[in-house]
Amino acid sequence: AQTVTQSQPEMSVQEAETVTLSCTYDTSESNYYLFWYKQPPSRQMILVIRQEAYKQQNATENRFSVNFQKAAKSFSLKISDSQLGDTAMYFCAFMKLRFLSNFGNEKLTFGTGTRLTIIP
Amino acid sequence: DAGITQSPRHKVTETGTPVTLRCHQTENHRYMYWYRQDPGHGLRLIHYSYGVKDTDKGEVSDGYSVSRSKTEDFLLTLESATSSQTSVYFCAISESYRGGEKLFFGSGTQLSVL
Repeated sequence: AQTVTQSQPEMSVQEAETVTLSCTYDTSESNYYLFWYKQPPSRQMILVIRQEAYKQQNATENRFSVNFQKAAKSFSLKISDSQLGDTAMYFCAFMKLRFLSNFGNEKLTFGTGTRLTIIP
Repeated sequence: DAGITQSPRHKVTETGTPVTLRCHQTENHRYMYWYRQDPGHGLRLIHYSYGVKDTDKGEVSDGYSVSRSKTEDFLLTLESATSSQTSVYFCAISESYRGGEKLFFGSGTQLSVL
């Protein structure tokens, strides 16, 4: 079974600064996806970024980037030039990858979340 | 939002009563999921479906049942609600994207069992 650990329950940072959220995971799988989801006060779960484990290049999406260290089983999220709208809970999640006919029935395993507050 | 609608958005019920939550999708996705969210636990999988009438259990399935008689609807039923089932419930669908998969979530249902 997979486990995902987010060791920072809460973080805060000044607007426009850079913040890094930590995530570690444990798995015996070699092929998988990792995700960061954002949950603002509206409760909606929003996909921020996805990383395929077989890719060495770190994923980026505008101000969001990851530092994926496969050997260390670490997957941190960096938010640059933080904005007030980035205030939210952030969840790290793991999904096994299947190359054959069973695409689509993967299940996400989530961490417990980090509550991020951007201070004006 | 990948065409996912959850209903109701909020519900308050009493212990021992049956409750059904509905997830409706408009884009013909094969795979659908029910998660619950609780403080300190993140999101945990209750049940999932990989087609009409094809369902399976997740990690916290006790006290819950599901049904999927049509591709677009995935129902979650609490046969006899308990206070421990007070939670936020999310439906999700799995969508192919550039050769991989992503999960997209509905807006959630806040359920309070008194």
